[in-house]
Amino acid sequence: DTGVSQNPRHKITKRGQNVTFRCDPISEHNRLYWYRQTLGQGPEFLTYFQNEAQLEKSRLLSDRFSAERPKGSFSTLEIQRTEQGDSAMYLCASSLVVLTGETQYFGPGTRLLVL
Amino acid sequence: AQRVTQPEKLLSVFKGAPVELKCNYSYSGSPELFWYVQYSRQRLQLLLRHISRESIKGFTADLNKGETSFHLKKPFAQEEDSAMYYCALSETNAGKSTFGDGTTLTVKP
Repeated sequence: DTGVSQNPRHKITKRGQNVTFRCDPISEHNRLYWYRQTLGQGPEFLTYFQNEAQLEKSRLLSDRFSAERPKGSFSTLEIQRTEQGDSAMYLCASSLVVLTGETQYFGPGTRLLVL
Repeated sequence: AQRVTQPEKLLSVFKGAPVELKCNYSYSGSPELFWYVQYSRQRLQLLLRHISRESIKGFTADLNKGETSFHLKKPFAQEEDSAMYYCALSETNAGKSTFGDGTTLTVKP
């Protein structure tokens, strides 16, 4: 296990198309997060799961965005009817919550460009 | 609402000089504060967290609740410290983190 992995690493799509990204967390990590990062800004929280349950979604998250973690392992993030404003780096992170807290481990990200 | 401010987008120091990266936050509860670092062509990784009160790679950060600050300090900067640094805040064990917009540190030889 070499850490959190994300696929694809890059995605170019045309406006209006649907895209799906995958995140494979570190084994045994019970939490999985999705963030979005645009140029010059820090990561912005989108949503997170504890096991298979989606516990929180950002109020800024459009209805075009949906995420799943069906078996509490890998997760997918789908964007429907993409817009140019969706162009960003999409980051996934996983963590194991223990009594002393949690440390989020980030993946390399998926860079999306919507033309 | 949670908010993290890193007032300096860019910071440049010479090797061996002290460095301080500023972070201010606003949060009504009891936050957990973190510093993350991203080296060139690498993924974002945790540098340190305030509850650990430890020094990592010579860096330390003290949570000042009165000033709502969590500045990152190192007495003698090294060239390998050149990277992007993000300050982040979260509720303890409550999930999401709120990140600042980052400071790019350049350590010149």
